[in-house]
Formats: sequence, C-alpha cells, structure tokens
Amino acid sequence: DVKVTQSSRYLVKRTGEKVFLECVQDMDHENMFWYRQDPGLGLRLIYFSYDVKMKEKGDIPEGYSVSREKKERFSLILESASTNQTSMYLCASSLQPPGANVLTFGAGSRLTVL
Amino acid sequence: DAKTTQPPSMDCAEGRAANLPCNHSTISGNEYVYWYRQIHSQGPQYIIHGLKNNETNEMASLIITEDRKSSTLILPHATLRDTAVYYCIVRVYTNAGKSTFGDGTTLTVKP
Repeated sequence: DVKVTQSSRYLVKRTGEKVFLECVQDMDHENMFWYRQDPGLGLRLIYFSYDVKMKEKGDIPEGYSVSREKKERFSLILESASTNQTSMYLCASSLQPPGANVLTFGAGSRLTVL
Repeated sequence: DAKTTQPPSMDCAEGRAANLPCNHSTISGNEYVYWYRQIHSQGPQYIIHGLKNNETNEMASLIITEDRKSSTLILPHATLRDTAVYYCIVRVYTNAGKSTFGDGTTLTVKP
C-alpha cells in the first residue's frame, strides 16, 4: 500500500559529494514537494513541482536543485553536500484542486553529511 | 498562510478523548484548517481538514469556532498508537501544498 516511496531511508555522505534523493509516487498526483525537517525548525519547503519539468522554489532552495522528468518521479539534488545539509528529507505529493489537495508523504530519508 | 499556535505537548490517558487545540487568529476567509500527524520515524500523515463547518472522519473530528480563529482536533478514543506529533496548518485550498509545518503538539497517550 506504499504510495510515496523515497529511495533511501538512511544515507551517509562526505562533504562535497553530489547527492541524489529520489522520490516516486504511484497516485498520479500532479504536485510533488521536497521538505527538510530539523528539530526546532519544523518542516521547511525546499522545492515543489506542479507539473513535469516545472519547478518552483520553496522557502529554503539554496544549495539544492530538483528534477522532474516524469510525472511520478521528483528528485532532489545536492550538488555539493555540506554538513549543514544533514537533515531528514521528506517527499510529498498531492492532487491539483479541485482534487483533494492534501499531502501524502513518504517515510523520509535521513541524510548525514560528514 | 496564516500562522498557527499549538501547545508543545499534551498527555492523554488511553481510551479517553484527546483534544488538541490550535490557534489561528489571523486566518483569512478562504483558508482551510488542516491537521496532520507524524509518528516517530515516519512521514506526516493527513488526518482531516475543514473550512468552517465541523468535520468528522474515521480518524478524528475537527471543531472550528464560529469566528474561525481557533480549532480543536478530537481523537475520540485515544490509543497508544496515537502517540505522535500533531500539526495544525492553515492554507488556501488552491495553494499547491506550500504548507508551513511548525513544531506541532507532541501527544503522548499513556496506559
């Protein structure tokens, strides 16, 4: 019954490495999102996409990029990982209105940058 | 999106109703109230949402005050599995999920 799948639950990378976080949804949702979650800061939106090849910056896009080549897949890219990007990363998807505009989240990917 | 205020933590006895408050005094007329919860080590899960009428589904009830400045999520018979962080979010329905999740309320259900 998994609907939003994040490719890795736990990753450990070194400073300067390029990191790819993959997210796939099987609900035919138009919208997809990447958040990061840090203690005391809640969930913060990094990027989102409302259509294939479309993307918009969220609240904290610096240091990140995204790719959406297919409707079901939304990738988050850290071009050169830094220690301050150690975090829990959450992918979510939703329908466009008038569909039920609620977020379905994946289980999260915990990234540690050494 | 309107700002929300929730208590940082609450306890509830197993089998009793859990009432989680949320203040959203700056809510606009076209903003909905959404509730999500996050069980440890999982992604947030949608619970319920509403505009101005009270709503109920299989998981919970949502009570929104007449002036819409506050709401209460009610879990009618809390179980240990309801222990989680509960987030109250206010946003325009057509807004493509650009939601701000604060720290929420940590609900601990005790036996």
